[in-house]
Amino acid sequence: NAGVTQTPKFQVLKTGQSMTLQCAQDMNHNSMYWYRQDPGMGLRLIYYSASEGTTDKGEVPNGYNVSRLNKREFSLRLESAAPSQTSVYFCASSVQDRGTGELFFGEGSRLTVL
Amino acid sequence: GQSLEQPSEVTAVEGAIVQINCTYQTSGFYGLSWYQQHDGGAPTFLSYNGLDGLEETGRFSSFLSRSDSYGYLLLQELQMKDSASYFCAVSWEYGNKLVFGAGTILRVKS
Repeated sequence: NAGVTQTPKFQVLKTGQSMTLQCAQDMNHNSMYWYRQDPGMGLRLIYYSASEGTTDKGEVPNGYNVSRLNKREFSLRLESAAPSQTSVYFCASSVQDRGTGELFFGEGSRLTVL
Repeated sequence: GQSLEQPSEVTAVEGAIVQINCTYQTSGFYGLSWYQQHDGGAPTFLSYNGLDGLEETGRFSSFLSRSDSYGYLLLQELQMKDSASYFCAVSWEYGNKLVFGAGTILRVKS
């Protein structure tokens, strides 16, 4: 079982460049999420999608956009990358946007912005 | 807003029991989750408490007191492979939009 798959796993960008992080899940989950994790810190929610066709902002949405392409796929776009966006990005999914507290995470995408 | 506090590091001996505490301040609290993350890896779900009391899953147990805004993760019969970071996270506003604590590094010594 693949679970949650993220691409790319590593990326180096220059300030001002744009890129899209891709995420796909094969568990037929309704809800999907994008988090970022900085050294020594917990995960912070960037955007989430409670169900196909809906997206909403999390704690730190500035500088990012998302697209819920279909039930399986949820992409994160950086329009003009900044060094402050250097981080590890995790995509996650859950059966639904319901209070079970259980998210399934991908392996992460490590982004460096120079 | 939401904020969580947990110890930054805990060290314990193989075979011992360790407790990782978590206190939180949040509006619209719905439940408390715990995640484990090994270096360079993905966070993995350990447990969830929606109601007060103890939840047990094998060697791991988790406790919640809503009136005290407090919970803990209890790890028994520690093994070397338990060395990892442990995060508490609160669910708020009836959803899985989790807010995470900064994490506790657990070091298990032989």
